[in-house]
Amino acid sequence: AIQVTQSPTSLSASLGDRVTLTCRASQDINNKMAWYQQKPGEVPQLLIYYASTLQSGTPSRFSGSGAGTDFSFTISHLQSEDFATYYCLQGYSLYTFGAGTKLELK
Amino acid sequence: QVQLKESGPGLVQPSRTLSLTCTVSGFSLTSYGVSWVRQPPGKGLEWIAAIWSGGSTDYNSALKSRLSISRDTSKSQVLLKMNSLQTEDTAMYFCARESAVAPFDYWGQGVMVTVSS
Repeated sequence: AIQVTQSPTSLSASLGDRVTLTCRASQDINNKMAWYQQKPGEVPQLLIYYASTLQSGTPSRFSGSGAGTDFSFTISHLQSEDFATYYCLQGYSLYTFGAGTKLELK
Repeated sequence: QVQLKESGPGLVQPSRTLSLTCTVSGFSLTSYGVSWVRQPPGKGLEWIAAIWSGGSTDYNSALKSRLSISRDTSKSQVLLKMNSLQTEDTAMYFCARESAVAPFDYWGQGVMVTVSS
């Protein structure tokens, strides 16, 4: 099974900051990486798929990049509603989620 | 609009079998796949099983021996059975839709399952 290592586990940042999360797959997954946002008590929301394609409705301050084994997810200018937990998901061979990154207000 | 809704028992005794139903609307199970994903309290997401638009199935290798996923297209329902439940299976169980390009683009609200005697 493909393993996915997500980092950091947690991150403190301020409004307006630029933050980047990363996920590394244990083998080449082409561009089959997606990113989700989950707020407490809510359902995960798909933000990005195919590593860099924004899901309809995802604000343009969110972006994704990468291919092969290394992927990144960036929020360019943090807004108050962005503080949440983010998960990556590989979809190349079945599915594996990363462990999540909790983004907190500094 | 696209909707998914999970249903099932809130409490299951250890060693028993869990049966969950995902009822969908706004799309056809013969055009989209559906997966089950779970999340233990305070922890991350874990993909459990999928049934694809053509009816084939896939399972998380760590859970495969305990799982069965099926569907009833006439009722727009996807069924998940998990046997030999343990306390570690206590979690929120979600069903989610998969399109041809985007995994898990729509989710149900989830059903909380507690394994306890």
